[in-house]
Amino acid sequence: AQTVTQSQPEMSVQEAETVTLSCTYDTSESDYYLFWYKQPPSRQMILVIRQEAYKQQNATENRFSVNFQKAAKSFSLKISDSQLGDAAMYFCAYRRIMNRDDKIIFGKGTRLHILP
Amino acid sequence: DTGVSQDPRHKITKRGQNVTFRCDPISEHNRLYWYRQTLGQGPEFLTYFQNEAQLEKSRLLSDRFSAERPKGSFSTLEIQRTEQGDSAMYLCASSLGLAADTQYFGPGTRLTVL
Repeated sequence: AQTVTQSQPEMSVQEAETVTLSCTYDTSESDYYLFWYKQPPSRQMILVIRQEAYKQQNATENRFSVNFQKAAKSFSLKISDSQLGDAAMYFCAYRRIMNRDDKIIFGKGTRLHILP
Repeated sequence: DTGVSQDPRHKITKRGQNVTFRCDPISEHNRLYWYRQTLGQGPEFLTYFQNEAQLEKSRLLSDRFSAERPKGSFSTLEIQRTEQGDSAMYLCASSLGLAADTQYFGPGTRLTVL
């Protein structure tokens, strides 16, 4: 069974600084999708960034980028120029590539605090 | 595009009562998903629909839980004979249904069982 592990329950970063959230996963599959979702306090979860495992190039979305290390099964999220609005729970997540197996498997999350 | 909506946003009930939640997906989204999120945990998959067909159910979905999507639009999740362990946030998401489509989440229904 696939699992996703986030070893940092909480992190803090100074506004405008850079922070990296860690994630490891376990799977026997060679192709899959990885995601980072953001869940602000009392607001709904939104997709931050996604990575297809067959792509070697790391995904980037504005201030958000990932470091995808397939062999190590590591998928970290880097947030540059942190802003107060980045404060949220961040979930690393995995999805198989088979269309019929459409569930997302989430880690336990990392709560990110932005210090002004 | 009004997003995924869920009703009610909060529900407090007594143990043993039945509760029903509703989810309205983004229009034209064929797939609809239910997840459960307990305090301090990430969401856990419960079930999903392709149009009106329920394609997969998690082992977390005990016999007291039932989900429907009768016309392939909105969905309901019913919990019978609620237990305190059912207290959680119930999240709904929807997607177009093509491979690797983004799942868009609703705000959730927070259930408290007293």
